[in-house]
Amino acid sequence: DAKTTQPPSMDCAEGRAANLPCNHSTISGNEYVYWYRQIHSQGPQYIIHGLKNNETNEMASLIITEDRKSSTLILPHATLRDTAVYYCIMQTGANNLFFGTGTRLTVIP
Amino acid sequence: SAVISQKPSRDICQRGTSLTIQCQVDSQVTMMFWYRQQPGQSLTLIATANQGSEATYESGFVIDKFPISRPNLTFSTLTVSNMSPEDSSIYLCSVEEQRRSAWNEQFFGPGTRLTVL
Repeated sequence: DAKTTQPPSMDCAEGRAANLPCNHSTISGNEYVYWYRQIHSQGPQYIIHGLKNNETNEMASLIITEDRKSSTLILPHATLRDTAVYYCIMQTGANNLFFGTGTRLTVIP
Repeated sequence: SAVISQKPSRDICQRGTSLTIQCQVDSQVTMMFWYRQQPGQSLTLIATANQGSEATYESGFVIDKFPISRPNLTFSTLTVSNMSPEDSSIYLCSVEEQRRSAWNEQFFGPGTRLTVL
């Protein structure tokens, strides 16, 4: 599975969009981009995933570059409850998720 | 989506003892997974547990140290054997559910916080 690179931490003002980048330059053609988050003292929670097209759901949007070597998770209107560690994961399915170090997002009032 | 509970939620144990962690799911699932999250670290997969077969362990984890049972499609246990302080971690179970378009999503339990003295 491809290795991912994420910034260790980011801050975002409450109500603003949070843009979390992820580099995955060695991604293979059949690997999906998954995003999970882990709020303090809880298990990880699925957010969104995509293959090559941009995706949007009720939680977030996922923008994948045309060469698929990087992606950005967008939380359109961050709230204090979005403070968490966000993991970008490459997978051919949901089996054996490899969690990297993730990005610790802090939403500031 | 699957709802997962774990018991105990936390425990403090003495060196050399063993602890069995239970994972209960509210629906039948084929694949269950056990992860470890050491303090301040990310999650590491310990093993995959399918009903009716022996668990498959990841590199660095062995059955003697982390025996797993999977007696049916809604339940699994992980035992941390002969514990040492290095085993102090959060242990999480997860299950896989197939969603639309044939992709799968993992749902995680709340975790068991283990402290070994």
